[in-house]
Amino acid sequence: QSVLTQPPSASGTPGQRVTISCSGSSSNIGNNYVYWYQQLPGTAPKLLIYRDNQRPSGVPDRFSGSKSGTSASLAISELQSEDEADYYCAPWDDSLRGWVFGGGTKLTVL
Amino acid sequence: QVQLQESGPGLVKPSETLSLTCTLSGGSIVSYYWSWIRQPPGKGLEWIGSMYYSGSSNYNPSLKSRVTISVDTSKNQFSLKLTSLTAADTAVYYCARGGGYSSSGFDYWGQGSLVTVSS
Repeated sequence: QSVLTQPPSASGTPGQRVTISCSGSSSNIGNNYVYWYQQLPGTAPKLLIYRDNQRPSGVPDRFSGSKSGTSASLAISELQSEDEADYYCAPWDDSLRGWVFGGGTKLTVL
Repeated sequence: QVQLQESGPGLVKPSETLSLTCTLSGGSIVSYYWSWIRQPPGKGLEWIGSMYYSGSSNYNPSLKSRVTISVDTSKNQFSLKLTSLTAADTAVYYCARGGGYSSSGFDYWGQGSLVTVSS
């Protein structure tokens, strides 16, 4: 059972905009940066968003991150079939003195 | 181009110790944090621990009593030891660059090494 709550699934059709939420507490999201990772089937995770809303080089601007209070969100616009993957949020947790991952959200492109 | 490659046994017996090594190519191990993260089959990601190249470390409290991470700057490698294994430790083990507080995240990952704990 993770200290972070993500919806287990999300879906959208090509071209749509979808949002994935990540709910935490003041010891993690509320006081620290949030990171998002994309895991395509059968592959290692890939860093998608760092420090709440920064994109690493090479990540399309269709992906964006935001945060408000103890919740964070990942938005994917202009949804494409290759976006079908598992998405994980991950902030530092002050109480655990370590990194915590959300349970993951499986995104299906219909 | 930074690349990470895990190496170690694919099958380990219960109660034994798992030893995995991650070899870095295309970059230096100096001035970064290095981490281990695992994923049980069909489940989510779990952070195991992180170590700065100079030696300071943080471990997942749930695993801390069984985990040791070490860094060998001369070989550009870092390693994981996990003791007293049970079936619950069966997972794909990933090594990754990063893990420091307020860092740029885990920005490079190995391909993962499946470890099965079974007699």
